[in-house]
Amino acid sequence: NAGVTQTPKFRILKIGQSMTLQCTQDMNHNYMYWYRQDPGMGLKLIYYSVGAGITDKGEVPNGYNVSRSTTEDFPLRLELAAPSQTSVYFCASAIVGGYTFGSGTRLTVV
Amino acid sequence: TQLLEQSPQFLSIQEGENLTVYCNSSSVFSSLQWYRQEPGEGPVLLVTVVTGGEVKKLKRLTFQFGDARKDSSLHITAAQPGDTGLYLCAGVGAGNNRKLIWGLGTSLAVNP
Repeated sequence: NAGVTQTPKFRILKIGQSMTLQCTQDMNHNYMYWYRQDPGMGLKLIYYSVGAGITDKGEVPNGYNVSRSTTEDFPLRLELAAPSQTSVYFCASAIVGGYTFGSGTRLTVV
Repeated sequence: TQLLEQSPQFLSIQEGENLTVYCNSSSVFSSLQWYRQEPGEGPVLLVTVVTGGEVKKLKRLTFQFGDARKDSSLHITAAQPGDTGLYLCAGVGAGNNRKLIWGLGTSLAVNP
């Protein structure tokens, strides 16, 4: 049972480039979330989904997009990367009682 | 806006010492979760407390949910270097799609 799998683990992007952060879970959880974590700033919710075909914005959605075509997958798309998007990104899935997080993607935009 | 304040922000202690981490809010939560995060990894759920006044124990870790469900504490007895990490509390509000309200965390270093 792999839980929540995120790829890639590390990535360096140039300003203006685009990329997709992948997130897959094998626990059949309906709820999925994308967070970014910056030093001293805590976890900030970017987007979330309550089930396949349904997504909604979190606290900091600007510059990002998501889709949820299946229960398992919840990719996060960065368009026109900016230095402010340098961060560690975590995907999580949830049932009642707690979240399961992936191991994160460390993204640097230069 | 619901907020969760954690204290202390940083804690550095010697192996064998006891410590308590606090998580406080002016808002009521339906439940509260504690996570530990190690460098380079995602947070890992330690416990969920649901009932006001509830106490849960996980080996040397004791978690308590306040009677009014506005605050929580984590007490570690005889800390070990393996307890080192970032401890995060997160509250579940009412009817919010299971979105969590996160504290900023307590960074704990246990020195041998």
